[in-house]
Amino acid sequence: QSVLTQPPSVSGAPGQRVTISCTGSSSNIGAGYDVHWYQQLPGTAPKLLIYGNSNRPSGVPDRFSGSKSGTSASLAITGLQAEDEADYYCQSYDSSLSGSLYVFGTGTKVTVL
Amino acid sequence: QVQLQESGPGLVKPSETLSLTCTVSGGSISSYYWSWIRQPPGKGLEWIGYIYYSGSTNYNPSLKSRVTISVDTSKNQFSLKLSSVTAADTAVYYCARVLVLPTATGAFDIWGQGTMVTVSS
Repeated sequence: QSVLTQPPSVSGAPGQRVTISCTGSSSNIGAGYDVHWYQQLPGTAPKLLIYGNSNRPSGVPDRFSGSKSGTSASLAITGLQAEDEADYYCQSYDSSLSGSLYVFGTGTKVTVL
Repeated sequence: QVQLQESGPGLVKPSETLSLTCTVSGGSISSYYWSWIRQPPGKGLEWIGYIYYSGSTNYNPSLKSRVTISVDTSKNQFSLKLSSVTAADTAVYYCARVLVLPTATGAFDIWGQGTMVTVSS
């Protein structure tokens, strides 16, 4: 079971702005660990979209932006396009008495109306 | 640029050991961490573990008793073994490179295309 919670789905019309939340706890995001975001198009491997909370790898459009505050993080997509229809996952690191591991969010499906 | 390619059997019998290899091309396996991640059909992503090119490892506590990740720098490959598999281990298995940030939190910046492994008799 994922320790990072995301909304199952979000939708928006072309050109609109949508945001995806990623809620964690004091053992992961709240402990200061970075949050990263991935885009997974249907039938393909995930692609790194945002790293270190708000940094875009080369080639990722500036329509994608990330932020982090407290025990949560958010991914925003502005100027939504049809090609943005995909699953999105947040990822961080969790350290507790149970052990330390990389963790992913539950995933959010973005639908372009 | 660096590319990753998973290889191994697509069908494994229950109670047997799943074995996969990831071949790194276009760059050296040295000086990086490398990871395995899986995704059951229609579900989310689960981190399995990582290995440093020197051989040090860290595994997901929930899988630790069954997982072994090893590296062969001479072949630019790293491998996954998962023992005593059940139907719950059916998934697409991805290998990925770990981008270690100054804050020590890793992101997975390069992924293989993934390989589907089904556990069934």
